[in-house]
Amino acid sequence: DVKVTQSSRYLVKRTGEKVFLECVQDMDHENMFWYRQDPGLGLRLIYFSYDVKMKEKGDIPEGYSVSREKKERFSLILESASTNQTSMYLCASSLFSQGGTSGEVHTQYFGPGTRLTVL
Amino acid sequence: AQTVTQSQPEMSVQEAETVTLSCTYDTSESDYYLFWYKQPPSRQMILVIRQEAYKQQNATENRFSVNFQKAAKSFSLKISDSQLGDAAMYFCAYTRGSGGAGGTSYGKLTFGQGTILTVHP
Repeated sequence: DVKVTQSSRYLVKRTGEKVFLECVQDMDHENMFWYRQDPGLGLRLIYFSYDVKMKEKGDIPEGYSVSREKKERFSLILESASTNQTSMYLCASSLFSQGGTSGEVHTQYFGPGTRLTVL
Repeated sequence: AQTVTQSQPEMSVQEAETVTLSCTYDTSESDYYLFWYKQPPSRQMILVIRQEAYKQQNATENRFSVNFQKAAKSFSLKISDSQLGDAAMYFCAYTRGSGGAGGTSYGKLTFGQGTILTVHP
């Protein structure tokens, strides 16, 4: 089974602090994703990475950055946390195969989430 | 841009009965995949079922089945013999396939807003 873990389930930080959220997957997946989840808005993609040191912006990248130094690890960084970044953050990973038609290569597996509160 | 809409913010069902959750999507692509994810109160998002757009047969997984209407761009989830453990937030999601004129999709998901399912004993 795919296992995706996140460094913390709950985190409380102060405005202006630098915050690191870490995600690790154990299935050698190429793709990794960071989402935030807010009531009524579903999940929105912040950033994703399709290879080591490769990253692309998602729909709401402002105020966030990411780092992927190793294939299994994908970090989300809040350079200066603000109260509007209080949210649930979910990490996910998936295989990638260009031209692949198997549903499995497009299926994302999620971590347990980190509930971040910025005071 | 692709959009996914879940028009039912909340649904409820009696234990052992059947419930259907609705999802519509908008896309101009012909190669895509649709998913239903479940998020129980413990917050771990779990894949329930997926449907490849090129497959005409509706996907089924035990008590879970979908009604995939490609022309209508509708993708509903039917839960039969509902159990207390089915209570959760359910998300419908879409991703473009690996090919197509839009370039590499990398499997990015677009989610609906979610439907909270309550199961009454």
